[in-house]
Amino acid sequence: AQSVTQLDSQVPVFEEAPVELRCNYSSSVSVYLFWYVQYPNQGLQLLLKYLSGSTLVKGINGFEAEFNKSQTSFHLRKPSVHISDTAEYFCAVSKAAGNKLTFGGGTRVLVKP
Amino acid sequence: ETGVTQTPRHLVMGMTNKKSLKCEQHLGHNAMYWYKQSAKKPLELMFVYNFKEQTENNSVPSRFSPECPNSSHLFLHLHTLQPEDSALYLCASRHDEAGYTFGSGTRLTVV
Repeated sequence: AQSVTQLDSQVPVFEEAPVELRCNYSSSVSVYLFWYVQYPNQGLQLLLKYLSGSTLVKGINGFEAEFNKSQTSFHLRKPSVHISDTAEYFCAVSKAAGNKLTFGGGTRVLVKP
Repeated sequence: ETGVTQTPRHLVMGMTNKKSLKCEQHLGHNAMYWYKQSAKKPLELMFVYNFKEQTENNSVPSRFSPECPNSSHLFLHLHTLQPEDSALYLCASRHDEAGYTFGSGTRLTVV
């Protein structure tokens, strides 16, 4: 079975500063990795995903993530955040060609002016 | 609008009521899911349907009863719920590795 750990439950950050959200996973098989964002009172929106190929994945809204197989990590980064990036971010994993997502506990990002 | 529509957006029900949550997608996806999102807990997978067939029940109590009449619609029938069942219920659909598309959820409050 897969599991996902998001090491930070909350990350306060000032506007225009960089942010990194950490995600580690465990799995005995090949996996696909995802980052989702949830704005208040909304569902989850896909930011980016890693299926195969280049380990640096670029997503929407200026976010990117890097897959590191040796460290079993998939950290999310943005070089300069906006107030509108205030949201909760979820890392998720599925078996390659599997049919269900397992989520981490989420990281709440609060961007301060 | 993600292409996955959930109704109602908000629901308040008593412990003796029976209600249903509805999820609809016209994305051509062949898998549909119910997830439960409670405060301070990770998202929990409840049920998985592939091509209308239930392929996973993640030890969900029988007071939650899913129904998938066709590949575009998914229901979650609720009866005799408990206050601890109050949560955001999210529906998702998927087509291969294209990623999972989530609806906006139904915020359920059991009183």
